[in-house]
Amino acid sequence: GAVVSQHPSWVICKSGTSVKIECRSLDFQATTMFWYRQFPKQSLMLMATSNEGSKATYEQGVEKDKFLINHASLTLSTLTVTSAHPEDSSFYICSAREAGIASNQPQHFGDGTRLSIL
Amino acid sequence: AQSVTQPDIHITVSEGASLELRCNYSYGATPYLFWYVQSPGQGLQLLLKYFSGDTLVQGIKGFEAEFKRSQSSFNLRKPSVHWSDAAEYFCAVGAFGNQFYFGTGTSLTVIP
Repeated sequence: GAVVSQHPSWVICKSGTSVKIECRSLDFQATTMFWYRQFPKQSLMLMATSNEGSKATYEQGVEKDKFLINHASLTLSTLTVTSAHPEDSSFYICSAREAGIASNQPQHFGDGTRLSIL
Repeated sequence: AQSVTQPDIHITVSEGASLELRCNYSYGATPYLFWYVQSPGQGLQLLLKYFSGDTLVQGIKGFEAEFKRSQSSFNLRKPSVHWSDAAEYFCAVGAFGNQFYFGTGTSLTVIP
């Protein structure tokens, strides 16, 4: 149980294009989803917290106009990297917390999306 | 401020040997502690968690961890390592809210 699917798993695109990454909770409802960024050989850095039906909360230093987050349903959150540039190349991971579960419970992680901007 | 420290960036052990991965945390209240494992190019899988109660917690794949409040530590252990255990291991502290704080990870190499 508690499977989180992330799509695509790998994307390569030209500089200046926008890329959308989807995060789906397959067998549970997730009122809260999280987006992380991971640089090679480094830890995960929380980018934003996405709550269903409301605006995302971004961490300090994360450009909300650059990284658009939408959480339109209880099973889907999307991250759109707008006008992507090579410095945006990274591994992006989403996680989700089940609805109705206490906020100290573990998050369930997707398998990540490797984004490469040429 | 909340933080998680994993002092060992990389550890190499022989298959069948015991393993201990260190994790120290700094948090103002009772922490919720987690260990995750990440295989190359993949997401994170929860190994075990500690909220309260027995300070020795058992997880999946034969892993266990011990919470020591006096040392602000939550070290991960396994009595006999298998080659399939080679991966990146992350310790995390969960705040009552949404924030998770991750350590920088420990890369485990297993020698046959």
